[in-house]
Amino acid sequence: DSGVTQTPKHLITATGQRVTLRCSPRSGDLSVYWYQQSLDQGLQFLIQYYNGEERAKGNILERFSAQQFPDLHSELNLSSLELGDSALYFCASSTQGNYGYTFGSGTRLTVV
Amino acid sequence: DQQVKQNSPSLSVQEGRISILNCDYTNSMFDYFLWYKKYPAEGPTFLISISSIKDKNEDGRFTVFLNKSAKHLSLHIVPSQPGDSAVYFCAASAGNFNKFYFGSGTKLNVKP
Repeated sequence: DSGVTQTPKHLITATGQRVTLRCSPRSGDLSVYWYQQSLDQGLQFLIQYYNGEERAKGNILERFSAQQFPDLHSELNLSSLELGDSALYFCASSTQGNYGYTFGSGTRLTVV
Repeated sequence: DQQVKQNSPSLSVQEGRISILNCDYTNSMFDYFLWYKKYPAEGPTFLISISSIKDKNEDGRFTVFLNKSAKHLSLHIVPSQPGDSAVYFCAASAGNFNKFYFGSGTKLNVKP
């Protein structure tokens, strides 16, 4: 157990639908990062939050949004889902000044 | 635009021998590099890092080498063990630890 909790582990949904992925960071970590891993692809950075505020944005589609709540958990919202959104979505957290991320085990999203 | 590239999707090595995983990058501003290991159904776990002020960092059986002029880094595992079989990702950051760029990963298979 890495200390970063992601739910659900698996999600199957239809095109056009909306889903919410949830992440609880490791205790004490203020930063949360979201990454997408499509089939045979590397980890694509989506977005980062630090203590409730958006800190950095990567290749995140406009159909996707995220937020970090006062208790530091984060949610990634994916809407108008397309088949190409099927991927593993990872959340990671870090402590300020700590150069390594701790990743959760991911949510596997399948859009049918 | 893939700024971090791992050109070998897979590598097979005999137990006890050296495993060498390679990573190339294009952005000369990258100054911090990480290697992550990922087992199936788990999130990536931090393995080893190196700053651009160094050309080598060692941690037990794992050594990372950085060649800044060639924009190349490599991870050496000596001796390789079957438990090292996993996907290895390299990642790089440009002075902003908020955003790491990941390679597509190399799947290492260590044969007993």
